[in-house]
Amino acid sequence: QKEVEQNSGPLSVPEGAIASLNCTYSDRGSQSFFWYRQYSGKSPELIMSIYSNGDKEDGRFTAQLNKASQYVSLLIRDSQPSDSATYLCALDNNNDMRFGAGTRLTVKP
Amino acid sequence: NAGVTQTPKFQVLKTGQSMTLQCAQDMNHNSMYWYRQDPGMGLRLIYYSASEGTTDKGEVPNGYNVSRLNKREFSLRLESAAPSQTSVYFCASSAYNEQFFGPGTRLTVL
Repeated sequence: QKEVEQNSGPLSVPEGAIASLNCTYSDRGSQSFFWYRQYSGKSPELIMSIYSNGDKEDGRFTAQLNKASQYVSLLIRDSQPSDSATYLCALDNNNDMRFGAGTRLTVKP
Repeated sequence: NAGVTQTPKFQVLKTGQSMTLQCAQDMNHNSMYWYRQDPGMGLRLIYYSASEGTTDKGEVPNGYNVSRLNKREFSLRLESAAPSQTSVYFCASSAYNEQFFGPGTRLTVL
């Protein structure tokens, strides 16, 4: 089992819909969780970080963390074509960062 | 501020050649990282440096060495390149675990 699992997609949603991206992890000692967005040919950029159970909202983005079930999710409300990218889930355990393979999201106009 | 810079942007090597990838950050971050990214594999941590003067192995360190030259610079060296090291290499730096990535180096080993 990989340490960080993501559905590779592609996930396709219409413009204006909610996109839901999921991630599960195996290391119960992980304390910090992140979502990065990566456009094709570009470097990853941080969207959200979450450290405690529950929801964290930032604009159109909401991160959800459930440590008991070992999953973290990202919701994108009112999806836009510019949100089309690969979304990487990552977790940190004392500087040892582990990334999922990413989910490719396509938002269709 | 330039953020995180990497050189070169592209490189082609022959098997057995050596090279050093350079990375520098101007954000005064303590921690720096080297990753490789392969299709379908996501980002894999090669080495990291939690502070100046310290380095630690990540998930895939074999075939690589690193040097944390000072707080700003963290280099990655391939002593004897192999085709399996063909990849895109990203350097990152972080404060409070939130990482900022450089533009990447696309390396091909023939």
